[in-house]
Amino acid sequence: QITLKESGPTLVKPTQTLTLTCTFSGLSFSTSGVGVGWIRQPPGKALEWLAFIYWDDNKRYSPSLKSRLTITKDTSKNQVVLTMTNMDPVDTATYYCANRRGEKMALDSWGQGTLVTVSS
Amino acid sequence: DIVMTQSPDSLAVSLGERATINCKSSQSVLYSSNNKNYLAWYQQKPGQPPKLLIYWASTRESGVPDRFSGSGSGTDFTLTISSLQAEDVAVYYCHQYYDTPPQTFGQGTKVEIK
Repeated sequence: QITLKESGPTLVKPTQTLTLTCTFSGLSFSTSGVGVGWIRQPPGKALEWLAFIYWDDNKRYSPSLKSRLTITKDTSKNQVVLTMTNMDPVDTATYYCANRRGEKMALDSWGQGTLVTVSS
Repeated sequence: DIVMTQSPDSLAVSLGERATINCKSSQSVLYSSNNKNYLAWYQQKPGQPPKLLIYWASTRESGVPDRFSGSGSGTDFTLTISSLQAEDVAVYYCHQYYDTPPQTFGQGTKVEIK
């Protein structure tokens, strides 16, 4: 069974940098095709794909946010970290961590999400 | 970016009746080398994360009731709930994972009981 859990601040101020951590189990980056990443959802709105990191250390970012995002992994800790710089109130959203595996490539497990509010 | 457009935005269906949700992509998500459509469907209930229902456009995820089915190819896809149950009230999203980055989602379709 795969589980993922997001952690990080619930409130950040405009212009600050957000750092979110996804801690997972039941999954290993040593398995070909595995990817873990982030999707966000503003209140009452649709899902937006942000960034993913893969078993071979390839990283993919949303082009519209690429300049603000960095994704890294710590294989020994089973963690993936997302940093987003220069936060703005429009970045207020629930941030989800999710994984994909090579045989499906869809997002087959999700964390519960963490609501991040950007406000002064 | 591939734009995913769902229709309708919302629908109300009587219990036991069929619910049909459409998803259209702005370009084909069929990968010719393996003949697979890189299209998934998710169900999201209030206060919960999305749950994978269908991948490869028509493969049901393990544990998903067989009243849920996916069909279509290329740019036009459908999620069908053959006999709506009360627990199916949710927002449903299509998702293309053909083009990365970015992968993209539809705007969502809200399913309610009539």
